[in-house]
Amino acid sequence: SQQGEEDPQALSIQEGENATMNCSYKTSINNLQWYRQNSGRGLVHLILIRSNEREKHSGRLRVTLDTSKKSSSLLITASRAADTASYFCATDANGNNRLAFGKGNQVVVIP
Amino acid sequence: GAGVSQTPSNKVTEKGKYVELRCDPISGHTALYWYRQSLGQGPEFLIYFQGTGAADDSGLPNDRFFAVRPEGSVSTLKIQRTERGDSAVYLCASSRTSGSANEQFFGPGTRLTVL
Repeated sequence: SQQGEEDPQALSIQEGENATMNCSYKTSINNLQWYRQNSGRGLVHLILIRSNEREKHSGRLRVTLDTSKKSSSLLITASRAADTASYFCATDANGNNRLAFGKGNQVVVIP
Repeated sequence: GAGVSQTPSNKVTEKGKYVELRCDPISGHTALYWYRQSLGQGPEFLIYFQGTGAADDSGLPNDRFFAVRPEGSVSTLKIQRTERGDSAVYLCASSRTSGSANEQFFGPGTRLTVL
């Protein structure tokens, strides 16, 4: 069954603006990961946050995790047209790297 | 270096036919995963291998689906008596091991269309 549920589903922003998307899940997790998928291409791993971490940064990406609320957010700062993609959160509940993905957020960055 | 490759990139078949989808993982990766992605949805786990053995096949929807990895490298996902509902993009991923927090590297997928 799918764990993650991203919100909002679609986001359209101007280049240079920040994009924020959220993800909620239902059961306890070992870690949560965010992936990007460009149209017609495979998924690319962006960032992983462990259940004992609250915030993590990687370049223009900032991920937060609130295990009490079972939610995570992904912030992309200073967006670029190349950031246009679908973004998925995925949880690893059992520590075996079997991932449960959400439905995804479509982000369109307008040049 | 070479990433995960999948063949064919597209497969169109008729209802009731048998299909095989192939995945070549990154060399040296012992864990291999199959996911299925329907239009507008996130990937859904099907099965994963650690080495040659299927460590978890609980995501396979029914007994028409089967996967093998005989030599611990290339894997083949086999679907018998295909149905229109099997139409989806089938994604393969590999990681160094199956332990938690090992990054999964995904292939481009095989788009299966069952007419």
